[in-house]
Amino acid sequence: EDQVTQSPEALRLQEGESSSLNCSYTVSGLRGLFWYRQDPGKGPEFLFTLYSAGEEKEKERLKATLTKKESFLHITAPKPEDSATYLCAASEAGATNKLIFGTGTLLAVQP
Amino acid sequence: DADVTQTPRNRITKTGKRIMLECSQTKGHDRMYWYRQDPGLGLRLIYYSFDVKDINKGEISDGYSVSRQAQAKFSLSLESAIPNQTALYFCATSATGGMADTQYFGPGTRLTVL
Repeated sequence: EDQVTQSPEALRLQEGESSSLNCSYTVSGLRGLFWYRQDPGKGPEFLFTLYSAGEEKEKERLKATLTKKESFLHITAPKPEDSATYLCAASEAGATNKLIFGTGTLLAVQP
Repeated sequence: DADVTQTPRNRITKTGKRIMLECSQTKGHDRMYWYRQDPGLGLRLIYYSFDVKDINKGEISDGYSVSRQAQAKFSLSLESAIPNQTALYFCATSATGGMADTQYFGPGTRLTVL
């Protein structure tokens, strides 16, 4: 069964303390791996799409990487405004663009 | 202005009532989706539509129906609401083509069924 698992469920960091969030996936042929940010009471906001193993993408303090089994979202020197839930989703090759979502990692960055 | 809008943003209703959630988009995308989000379960697909004449069930379509009134409008209906349909509901859109179509989400509707 196709599945996306995120860890940890929650992460508390001090401002400036870098860390990584993990997204492991079991999908029959990955079409794309997506990262979203979700603030409380709001819809998911698109961050990155990764298509193939070895690919990396960066945006401000965030960098997403992809291997054949997992993706990492690296957060460098986080600030309190980076606090949010980060969602990972996978799209299966040949499928009709349906996304399989993980349950997210709740990140809290304390000043 | 938001590219994907949802109405209402909050709704409290009673068991057995019929309700409709509406989604409109100005992104010009052909594909539209309805998801629900529950704590600990993540986002799950209810229905999706790739054009006005194409409607498909997602993984949890029981108890729901949809209508694609136009390219820009996609409505979700609960014919007879029940308490376990209390959740956050999100509409999303994506363009056609490309290696993997990125989905863009609306702000959500918080639905409470008493």
